[in-house]
Amino acid sequence: NAGVTQTPKFQVLKTGQSMTLQCAQDMNHEYMSWYRQDPGMGLRLIHYSVGAGITDQGEVPNGYNVSRSTTEDFPLRLLSAAPSQTSVYFCASSLGDYSYEQYFGPGTRLTVT
Amino acid sequence: GESVGLHLPTLSVQEGDNSIINCAYSNSASDYFIWYKQESGKGPQFIIDIRSNMDKRQGQRVTVLLNKTVKHLSLQIAATQPGDSAVYFCAENIDNNNDMRFGAGTRLTVKP
Repeated sequence: NAGVTQTPKFQVLKTGQSMTLQCAQDMNHEYMSWYRQDPGMGLRLIHYSVGAGITDQGEVPNGYNVSRSTTEDFPLRLLSAAPSQTSVYFCASSLGDYSYEQYFGPGTRLTVT
Repeated sequence: GESVGLHLPTLSVQEGDNSIINCAYSNSASDYFIWYKQESGKGPQFIIDIRSNMDKRQGQRVTVLLNKTVKHLSLQIAATQPGDSAVYFCAENIDNNNDMRFGAGTRLTVKP
């Protein structure tokens, strides 16, 4: 199994541009989530999904959209990038159903200028 | 609001010594906790978890202790090795909804 994969690994955007961060998992996990990690800080939850077709907001959802059309994929969309969105983004998945051990992807480092 | 926090941002230990990383939480409704290890340039990796109906749980070289009276969580690493150097996060789950809230992290450095 590849586990959780994320693309791209690095990205530079100009303010106002949009883009999609890709996340995929091959473990048939029901639960997927997106976090952002800022320097010297822990991870903050952006959006999460408990299964295909179901998404919900986390702590810091503003400026981001998600969708979950398949169990495997959970893309994160930045609608209009802002410098405040410069961060490292991690996607994670877990089995769900009260199994909370999350498997994390390698991260995407995003810089917005 | 209530959040998970850590007592010490950095910890430096000699190789072979035991390490103790602490975490304070303020939400008494938290019922599940996880410790994660994050190496430079990588995503967090699960180490060990504990539910609120337990006081202690042991893994390979690691032990997690939970003191619900003072809302304190600790991670003990026995015989610390250079490969243990990383940032360690505690995370709590509230209301069984898969939403884990992370603390800020402690950087552990192991000196040879």
